[in-house]
Amino acid sequence: GAGVSQSPSNKVTEKGKDVELRCDPISGHTALYWYRQSLGQGLEFLIYFQGNSAPDKSGLPSDRFSAERTGGSVSTLTIQRTQQEDSAVYLCASSPMPGTTTNEKLFFGSGTQLSVL
Amino acid sequence: DQQVKQNSPSLSVQEGRISILNCDYTNSMFDYFLWYKKYPAEGPTFLISISSIKDKNEDGRFTVFLNKSAKHLSLHIVPSQPGDSAVYFCAATSGGSNYKLTFGKGTLLTVNP
Repeated sequence: GAGVSQSPSNKVTEKGKDVELRCDPISGHTALYWYRQSLGQGLEFLIYFQGNSAPDKSGLPSDRFSAERTGGSVSTLTIQRTQQEDSAVYLCASSPMPGTTTNEKLFFGSGTQLSVL
Repeated sequence: DQQVKQNSPSLSVQEGRISILNCDYTNSMFDYFLWYKKYPAEGPTFLISISSIKDKNEDGRFTVFLNKSAKHLSLHIVPSQPGDSAVYFCAATSGGSNYKLTFGKGTLLTVNP
């Protein structure tokens, strides 16, 4: 498909388990972002990748959260020792190139609904 | 501290009428503003944007107005259609960190036939 693809679409896990969320950005998009939306909240920035490097990780809530991107394409967001407050929709977005007005027009995936029991 | 605020969680309008969605911001460094639309179980999609050097931007039925002195922007949809029913997010960014958007909590718009 031509859009941003995220998997799984839904993930239910037990408190304390680790989870991995995957994002396939639009082909050719150099910038990739992770956001999350907790219930009743706006989208919250987590991390930004330019290529394989992450110049800004400032939104990651704790050291239980990490993300990587390989080959300038697929990204994985890992949450270790999940807690109930981690329950949210995790959204991935990509954009063609930073530094231009088109950069702000992010293309979002459908998200992963994470539920921590 | 919420830097982008959408104080109306929901709005209901009649088909054919105007929908006005409001957004306030507190960070004076914001210089680019966007509206995203989100349907259930889908990711947000870009709708319209405005630079701080303008006070109005129009795209078909959608117009965004920016009042910098009041730190307020609004999205007008006219005429409203049932297919416009969705959650609308206001977002803002600044030139120094134009990769990072700050979003409001969203407003659920319902357009009744």
